[in-house]
Amino acid sequence: RKEVEQDPGPFNVPEGATVAFNCTYSNSASQSFFWYRQDCRKEPKLLMSVYSSGNEDGRFTAQLNRASQYISLLIRDSKLSDSATYLCVVNMTGNNRLAFGKGNQVVVIP
Amino acid sequence: NAGVTQTPKFQVLKTGQSMTLQCAQDMNHEYMSWYRQDPGMGLRLIHYSVGAGITDQGEVPNGYNVSRSTTEDFPLRLLSAAPSQTSVYFCASSPGLAGLNEQFFGPGTRLTVL
Repeated sequence: RKEVEQDPGPFNVPEGATVAFNCTYSNSASQSFFWYRQDCRKEPKLLMSVYSSGNEDGRFTAQLNRASQYISLLIRDSKLSDSATYLCVVNMTGNNRLAFGKGNQVVVIP
Repeated sequence: NAGVTQTPKFQVLKTGQSMTLQCAQDMNHEYMSWYRQDPGMGLRLIHYSVGAGITDQGEVPNGYNVSRSTTEDFPLRLLSAAPSQTSVYFCASSPGLAGLNEQFFGPGTRLTVL
């Protein structure tokens, strides 16, 4: 089983709609979870950390389900500027290594 | 602050050539790392450093060397380039352990090995 698995998509989303996707992870001992955003041909940038209780940042909501070992990201009221690849990132052994998923590609359509 | 800088932005090598990818950060971060990103795959850790003078291997270290003589710089050396090393290389830094802190990435180096 891969350390972090994501459905690469693409997810074609009408402007103003809501899109959600999950990411599963293999290491039940993982403690830290993140979503990064990567624009085409650019470097990844932190979008948000994912906390056990779930967290929200504007139109973005992240959830963690430890029992089923997945995290989710929901984007409400999608904007054209939300078009990007969203990377699921989980810490692995100890705290010195991160595992990155392949990313969920989101394309917001006018 | 410039953040994390990488040079060169693009590079083409012939098989067997060696080169050094440069990475520098001006945020006084202790932790630095190198990743490669290939189509259809997530970022994979090559080497990392938890401070000046300390380096360790990541998932895919073969064919690469690193050193960390200062807090600011973390160069990645390709010893004898191979076509399998064609990739986009990202350097990252963080104020503490990678698993607990935001990673700040450089703009990347696009390397092609012929």
